[in-house]
Amino acid sequence: GAVVSQHPSWVICKSGTSVKIECRSLDFQATTMFWYRQFPKQSLMLMATSNEGSKATYEQGVEKDKFLINHASLTLSTLTVTSAHPEDSSFYICSAPRQGVTGELFFGEGSRLTVL
Amino acid sequence: DAKTTQPPSMDCAEGRAANLPCNHSTISGNEYVYWYRQIHSQGPQYIIHGLKNNETNEMASLIITEDRKSSTLILPHATLRDTAVYYCIVTNSGTYKYIFGTGTRLKVLA
Repeated sequence: GAVVSQHPSWVICKSGTSVKIECRSLDFQATTMFWYRQFPKQSLMLMATSNEGSKATYEQGVEKDKFLINHASLTLSTLTVTSAHPEDSSFYICSAPRQGVTGELFFGEGSRLTVL
Repeated sequence: DAKTTQPPSMDCAEGRAANLPCNHSTISGNEYVYWYRQIHSQGPQYIIHGLKNNETNEMASLIITEDRKSSTLILPHATLRDTAVYYCIVTNSGTYKYIFGTGTRLKVLA
């Protein structure tokens, strides 16, 4: 079964509103989680590294004020897309490593955001 | 930038072996090779990984060349459900920071 779960699976919102996506590790604790974005027919692009209890680390070119990341507990990271615009429409995927499983990342099911 | 290059697409007949190549000529000594696949509109799924020895599990085999500059993922008996984009990723096992390349779109044909 899934060990990393995202919610919601899909969301439609109006331009200018904010949308929150949750990423949970289901049976393990994750001090680090990763957020990716994927546009149609393209590969996954790493956006940021979410760190429990501290600030997220953003990849070059990703606006930290636009994509707010909060990792308030060892099993939950949230990505908030603020003031969403149609160009933010994408597939957002989170992942987390599970301790003891060398190097392997577990990915969530993904969240499809459509901004009208 | 991704440290790997893969052919953009491949076809394979159902029941035959699918051999997916990956070049990673700049791999360093402490970096592993990981393979994931992504079925349409889902999160990537782990397949297999290795450091320098060949590896096999219930899903696939991984063949790594002796100089570690390339590898091949083998799906021994491809089924229609194996149609997906396959990603080869090179990373240090301690960082978990995966940089995805373009992957190979495998289409299994009936």
